[in-house]
Amino acid sequence: QSALTQPASVSGSPGQSITISCTGTSSDVGGYNYVSWYQQHPGKAPKLVIYDVTNRPSEVSIRFSGSKSGNTASLTISGLQAEDEADYYCNSYTSSSTQVVFGGGTRLTVL
Amino acid sequence: EVQLVESGGGLIQPGGSLRLSCAVSGFTVSGHYMSWVRQAPGQGLECVSFIYTDATTYYADSVKGRFVMSRDNSKNTLYLQMNSLRAEDTAAYYCARRIGINFDFWGQGTLVTVSS
Repeated sequence: QSALTQPASVSGSPGQSITISCTGTSSDVGGYNYVSWYQQHPGKAPKLVIYDVTNRPSEVSIRFSGSKSGNTASLTISGLQAEDEADYYCNSYTSSSTQVVFGGGTRLTVL
Repeated sequence: EVQLVESGGGLIQPGGSLRLSCAVSGFTVSGHYMSWVRQAPGQGLECVSFIYTDATTYYADSVKGRFVMSRDNSKNTLYLQMNSLRAEDTAAYYCARRIGINFDFWGQGTLVTVSS
């Protein structure tokens, strides 16, 4: 099962908005409304920030939002803050034995 | 408060075995799907195994036949028995609670290094 495709890096200035894409196929991202996003700071465990494409856990800032179009899901972070600098991973349901596939990760730099 | 605490990682020679543990508090492991997710140094995430509430287990192709996931309900603890270890198994191993495909609670991870 191939990993989902994410850009290696994105950057933005404080206050700006950025979008991270996650591209799969009709067998994963495009076939189900089961995409989630994780934020990982260096040396820390990942943290769930978006689930089921568009839903946000209650403790996550409203600046984080998710969407999907066809085989591509997206994570948008508005009003960038220095604390948002981290690695971001998407995952999706798939037909593999473990039923999940992750993206390769995107490094977000806040300039 | 939910806590997941992994232990058991370390340096092991290729071909060796290691057992990881994940002690859970704040919810019962038997009542949830649970997973082990690994991350090789500087790399992305890979779900290597998960266990259903009925104790059925599933494994990634990369570890099938070598790793065994189990749980002890009385200790509220998960285990990952790793056999025939290879250099490519070097990674931080996280246990995580799984809701569908969403991993909502994670441990801090334990590092496994396979090297001679």
